[in-house]
Amino acid sequence: KQEVTQIPAALSVPEGENLVLNCSFTDSAIYNLQWFRQDPGKGLTSLLLIQSSQREQTSGRLNASLDKSSGRSTLYIAASQPGDSATYLCAPPIGGGSEKLVFGKGTKLTVNP
Amino acid sequence: DAGVIQSPRHEVTEMGQEVTLRCKPISGHDYLFWYRQTMMRGLELLIYFNNNVPIDDSGMPEDRFSAKMPNASFSTLKIQPSEPRDSAVYFCASSISGQAGEETQYFGPGTRLLVL
Repeated sequence: KQEVTQIPAALSVPEGENLVLNCSFTDSAIYNLQWFRQDPGKGLTSLLLIQSSQREQTSGRLNASLDKSSGRSTLYIAASQPGDSATYLCAPPIGGGSEKLVFGKGTKLTVNP
Repeated sequence: DAGVIQSPRHEVTEMGQEVTLRCKPISGHDYLFWYRQTMMRGLELLIYFNNNVPIDDSGMPEDRFSAKMPNASFSTLKIQPSEPRDSAVYFCASSISGQAGEETQYFGPGTRLLVL
């Protein structure tokens, strides 16, 4: 059974800081992993989908890495801005390339101006 | 495309009433997912469809919940009878199968359900 843990649960940083959000998962036999962002009262927005063969995926100031062997993924946010304030969720599939995603509880990020 | 559309956005009902949530996936997407989000349990997959066929409904909590997808552009999630513990935000998401890297799920804005 896939279990996902995200650390820290909450993070508050001053604007401009670089930060790392951590995700660990128990079933490493996965083909990909997705990172989502959720703003308060809103739906989820996909940020990055990283394939197991890629190890890293970048979009603007965001960089996600995936280490299947250790069951870990990290989301790196460079030069954080107040607009980055949101909850970030990690979602590997339940196994392999399954369409079923298992979500972590998320990291609530606050970037203070 | 307008993205995934859900209705209603908010629903307040009394215990025992029937509730129907609606979803229109992104045109051309062949996967449709129904999720439920609560503070206690986080985001949970209830059921998903591929080409209008239910593939996995193991997340549906009990027989009071049912979901249908009569065509590629419409799906419903029904709760009958509703109970206070069903209060949550229900999300619909869709995705397209194909090449690796295209598995991104696109979420709707959600329906916030309150059962009194």
